[in-house]
Amino acid sequence: LAKTTQPISMDSYEGQEVNITCSHNNIATNDYITWYQQFPSQGPRFIIQGYKTKVTNEVASLFIPADRKSSTLSLPRVSLSDTAVYYCLVGPQERYSSASKIIFGSGTRLSIRP
Amino acid sequence: EAQVTQNPRYLITVTGKKLTVTCSQNMNHEYMSWYRQDPGLGLRQIYYSMNVEVTDKGDVPEGYKVSRKEKRNFPLILESPSPNQTSLYFCASRVNRNYEQYFGPGTRLTVT
Repeated sequence: LAKTTQPISMDSYEGQEVNITCSHNNIATNDYITWYQQFPSQGPRFIIQGYKTKVTNEVASLFIPADRKSSTLSLPRVSLSDTAVYYCLVGPQERYSSASKIIFGSGTRLSIRP
Repeated sequence: EAQVTQNPRYLITVTGKKLTVTCSQNMNHEYMSWYRQDPGLGLRQIYYSMNVEVTDKGDVPEGYKVSRKEKRNFPLILESPSPNQTSLYFCASRVNRNYEQYFGPGTRLTVT
C-alpha cells in the first residue's frame, strides 16, 4: 500500500476555499485515492474517491494531476462545521487483494475560524 | 436506514475479564473491519473480514479475536483485556470493490 503524507494541521476562515494536499509518490497503477472526514469521538465518514483528473460531488472536489503522485481535496466555502480531521488513503480496489488491509495515516487537522 | 451499530458504546472493565463488543451492519456488505484509535497514533486496523468465515489480521491483532459466522455480524473479542487495550474502537463495513467504508459510532473501552 502506498504511503501518504499530509500536513499535520491547517487553519482557515469561514467562507474560504480550503485545499488539503496529500503526497503519495509510490502510488501504483491500480490504486485509487480516497478521503475521509472525522469529527471528535465519531467514526470517519467517506467524502470522495478518485483515480485521475478531477472528481466532484456535493461536498468536495478531488484534483489528481497526471502523474498521480499527489492529490488535493478542495472544500468550497468552508463553515465552522468543517472543523475535523481529514484522512487521505491510497490503495487498490480489486476483490480479495491487499486492498483489504486498509491503512489510515495521521490525517490533517483542519480548524475553521469565524 | 443504512447503518453500522456497535454495542456497548461505553465499557469499563477490569484486567482479565473477557468481553465482547458486537458489530452489526444492515447493508449486506461483504467486508467488515475493526479499528482502534488512540491519541497520536490515528486509526489502526485490528482485524478484517472479506466474507463469512474469512478473516485476517490487520496491523494490531495481538490480544484480539474475531469471528464472522453471519454476514451482518462481526464481533470483537478480548479474551483477557489489559490496560493497553484501553481505546476507542470502531467497526466498519463496505462493499468489497470499494473504499467507501461505513463506520459505527464507536465503543470507548477502559480497562483498569
